[in-house]
This record gives sequence, C-alpha cells and structure tokens, in this order.
Amino acid sequence: DQQVKQNSPSLSVQEGRISILNCDYTNSMFDYFLWYKKYPAEGPTFLISISSIKDKNEDGRFTVFLNKSAKHLSLHIVPSQPGDSAVYFCAASASSGTYKYIFGTGTRLKVLA
Amino acid sequence: ETGVTQSPTHLIKTRGQQVTLRCSSQSGHNTVSWYQQALGQGPQFIFQYYREEENGRGNFPPRFSGLQFPNYSSELNVNALELDDSALYLCASSPGQGIEGYTFGSGTRLTVV
Repeated sequence: DQQVKQNSPSLSVQEGRISILNCDYTNSMFDYFLWYKKYPAEGPTFLISISSIKDKNEDGRFTVFLNKSAKHLSLHIVPSQPGDSAVYFCAASASSGTYKYIFGTGTRLKVLA
Repeated sequence: ETGVTQSPTHLIKTRGQQVTLRCSSQSGHNTVSWYQQALGQGPQFIFQYYREEENGRGNFPPRFSGLQFPNYSSELNVNALELDDSALYLCASSPGQGIEGYTFGSGTRLTVV
C-alpha cells in the first residue's frame, strides 16, 4: 500500500519556466511533509518542509503548497535552472511518536537549457 | 564534524552472509534513521534510534538490526542476506526527534549475489 504517491516518474521543463512536482498521500494522520532532492551518487538533500497548519511555505525559488482536503501537495520551482535537474522525493509523517517518514517513489526533473 | 558519513560506499556479499554497515552522524544529532532504497523506489524506513534506543521500526524482519553509540555513530546489521536485500542503504540523522527533517549520508550500495 503506497501511502505517498508521486505519479509522474519524470518531468522536463525549459530553463526559466516553472517546474511543478506533485505528490498525493492517503493517510489522514500525516501532518508534516518534506521535499528532498537527490543527485546521482549522493544522499537526498532536504529542500523544504510544510506542516498541516499551513497551506504554503516559501523558500527562495521553492514553494510548497498543501491541500489537506485533497491530500495533495506540490513543489513549485520558479525559475527552473539546469542545476535543479535531479530526482525529487516527497515524504510525509505523522507528528506523534517516531517521525517515520514515508517517501514517494520520486520524480526525475530535467531542466533543459 | 559536519555531514553524515557512511562506509563502505559499495559492498558485495553472498546470499546467507551477514553484513554491517556503518554511519557517522553530525555531532549533536541524537536521532539516526536507516532507510533502504531499492532501484526506482523511494527510501523505505527501516528503523530509528534516539539516544541509543530504538524508538521506531518499519516493516522489516528482525534480521535487520541496529545499534547507536554515544559518539553519534551507528550500525545497521543484516543477517542471512537475501537477494532482495540488494539496495542502497541510507543513514540519516537529526538533532531532535526528526520533525525538522534529516541530513542524509550518500549511502552504501549493497549487492547480494
């Protein structure tokens, strides 16, 4: 049972345009969400987080939106840069006890110069 | 010391053998989690240690075990290796209980033949 789903395995975007990466979850107990970026041969790097008390969090070019009723979150990257090309994972956790993060399967973003 | 360091980077073992993977976390990071990432999948939570005690476990059999030491290092042990254990094993640490996200190491690529 995949509790966190990233239904787009890959995405290509032109440099300078907006990249939108989507993530859906099924467990209504999840109330904390993270996005990680992963380059080949490296571990995932934390990008941005959002808790369920917010519907938007912004950090520079990265904005995460949370729609609790739809159990959907998205990561917007504006403007996209070639260095953003990587695999992006969303992860979700319930803020009770162990923060056991459930990861999606990832979306490979390719930003074309 | 900054960052999370894992050793070895690559390892080949035979089915039925035992393996120990090592992780050195950042000083002050009291929480360490281990994840298994199979090819094309997102990281899957194995277990988490907080101040040297296991405080959360995913859907992995008891032959997956761990230790966390006072010097912020930790180990993942896998007994009776199976072919399906071939994966990238990621160590991640956090100063608190993990809600603020984790710093990941680059992983150990384990191949079981």
